[in-house]
Formats: sequence, C-alpha cells, structure tokens
Amino acid sequence: EAGVVQSPRYKIIEKKQPVAFWCNPISGHNTLYWYLQNLGQGPELLIRYENEEAVDDSQLPKDRFSAERLKGVDSTLKIQPAELGDSAVYLCASSSGSSGGLTDTQYFGPGTRLTVL
Amino acid sequence: DAKTTQPTSMDCAEGRAANLPCNHSTISGNEYVYWYRQIHSQGPQYIIHGLKNNETNEMASLIITEDRKSSTLILPHATLRDTAVYYCIVRVATSGSRLTFGEGTQLTVNP
Repeated sequence: EAGVVQSPRYKIIEKKQPVAFWCNPISGHNTLYWYLQNLGQGPELLIRYENEEAVDDSQLPKDRFSAERLKGVDSTLKIQPAELGDSAVYLCASSSGSSGGLTDTQYFGPGTRLTVL
Repeated sequence: DAKTTQPTSMDCAEGRAANLPCNHSTISGNEYVYWYRQIHSQGPQYIIHGLKNNETNEMASLIITEDRKSSTLILPHATLRDTAVYYCIVRVATSGSRLTFGEGTQLTVNP
C-alpha cells in the first residue's frame, strides 16, 4: 500500500514569491491534515479536511495561507506571498476515520522542506 | 489537552531495552496516551496508544501507571534504526483528531 505522497520534497524561494505544496493521501482515507514543523519543534496542525470540507482551520494564517481539497482526494497548500519566517517543513497526513475519532491513526508523508531566502 | 513532559534526550545501547518516560499528571479520564516517533527527514510515525491498560504491539510496549499520570514506552531490543525523536501525546476525546505535539525525546541508540 502506498503511503502519503508529498511533492516537492524541497523548495527554495525568495521572499514575497508564491509557493504551493501538493499531497496525495493514502487511498480511501477521508481525512487529510496539513501540519507545520519548525526546526527543533513538534508539528503543529494548520488545517484538517473531512473529504472536501475544511473542518478545522483555526490555526491557518488566512492572510497568506490557503488550502484546497476540491475532489476530496489530493490537496494543495499555498503560501502567497512567502515570508522568511515561513521556512519550515510542511507535513501532510491522512487517516481513515470520517469524524476524527479518538483512535484514528494518522499516517504522515515525508514533508516538504521550504526555505525562504 | 493535557500537557506532557518528556526528557529532552536519552541514550541507549544497541540490543538493550529503551525505556522512554512521559509525565501527564493532568490527564483526564477520557484522554488517551499516544506515542509517535520521527526519524530524521521523515514524517512522524504512529507507534502505539492506550487508555489505562498496558498495550503491546510489534513495535513497542506501553506501560501506563495505575493513576494514569505517567507512562513509559518500551522498545524491547533497540536498534540503530530506532534513533529518532519520540513524542508522547495526550488526546482529548472531544477535540476531534488534533494531535498536539510537544518537543519530544531525542533517543540515540549507540552501537
């Protein structure tokens, strides 16, 4: 079974440029998450999707960050414009539960390492 | 969600058991204890979870104290590939599927 796929693995951009990250979850997983991980810290949730609906986006900085999951399968996270402080690893995860159940295991992709110069 | 406290780092000899402690003294009765690990340059990986009974799977064992205020993750025969950051997470039943990661414990398995 293929795991969560993310691309690109690495991205270097200059500040004020736009950037997008793509995630393909495990087949059949209804729930998709985007996390941000700063160096030396644990991941922090940005947004959670149940199918194509964003059900928890309280931590997403909506002035510059946006996300979509149009067909309820793969997802794109965008930053426009990027700032120096956005340099981090962006992780995507998926799970099979439809309501974020307590014992629903999340499977993570390898992440995209973003460097903003 | 209850806060967890873990040592910043630990070392273990290859082939020996690695015992990773976690304190969660404010845990509520409906909160589970989860363990994930993150190997360098990879995403976090689920290891095990439990409510109040001890749990074991092919990766590890989870020992939860009777008062549920602390737990220990046990890797019975650590290998070099177990070198990773280990996260202990307490998950509230009412908060959906949010995992709140702390800074975890850097486990280094030495040859």
